[in-house]
Amino acid sequence: DAGVIQSPRHEVTEMGQEVTLRCKPISGHDYLFWYRQTMMRGLELLIYFNNNVPIDDSGMPEDRFSAKMPNASFSTLKIQPSEPRDSAVYFCASSLTGLGSYNEQFFGPGTRLTVL
Amino acid sequence: GDSVTQMEGPVTLSEEAFLTINCTYTATGYPSLFWYVQYPGEGLQLLLKATKADDKGSNKGFEATYRKETTSFHLEKGSVQVSDSAVYFCALSDYTGRRALTFGSGTRLQVQP
Repeated sequence: DAGVIQSPRHEVTEMGQEVTLRCKPISGHDYLFWYRQTMMRGLELLIYFNNNVPIDDSGMPEDRFSAKMPNASFSTLKIQPSEPRDSAVYFCASSLTGLGSYNEQFFGPGTRLTVL
Repeated sequence: GDSVTQMEGPVTLSEEAFLTINCTYTATGYPSLFWYVQYPGEGLQLLLKATKADDKGSNKGFEATYRKETTSFHLEKGSVQVSDSAVYFCALSDYTGRRALTFGSGTRLQVQP
C-alpha cells in the first residue's frame, strides 16, 4: 500500500483566499484524522471521521474551517477565508478498528501551508 | 481530560550516549501508549507501543515500559546514533470514548557525531 497520501505538499496563498487540502487514507481503514502542527501549539486534533461520518470536530478552530469525507478513500479540509495564523503543517492520518489494531494511526507526509 | 506530558527539549547527546525521554500521562480507564517519531520534513511514524500495564514496547533499539503505578512511559535507548535525530512524541489512546490520540508536546533529539 502507498500509505496515506496528502496533497499538495506545500501551499502558499494570500490572506483571504480559499485553501483546500486533500487526503487519501490507506485502503480499508475506517478512521480518518486531521491534525495541525505548529511550533506554539504542537500537534492538535482538528476533526476525525469514522466510516465517513464526522465524529468529533471539537478541535476545528472556527467556522472558517470545514472538513468533508464524501467516500472512504477521500477527505478534504477547507479553510475559507484563510488567515496568516492558519500557517502550519496539516497532517492526515488513518487507522483501522479491530482486535489488535490498538488504534495505531498511520500519518501522511503533511501539507505545509503558508498564508501571507 | 486526557493529557500527556513530555520533558522539554531539545536534548543534545553525543553518538553512543544513553537516551531517556520522560513521558507521564493522565487518562481515564486503561489507555494504550505510543511513541511516535518525526524525522525532518516527514510525517509521524509509530516507533513502539504498549497496551497494558507492565508491557514493554521495543523497536530499533528503543524501548519503553508501561508503568501504571507511576503513570509513565519513558523512552530509552542504550546507544544513540546520528540517524536518531528527530522529534519524539509520546501519545495515548483512551478506549473509553474518543478514538483520537492525545499527543505530548514532542521532544527534539539531536545527536552529534
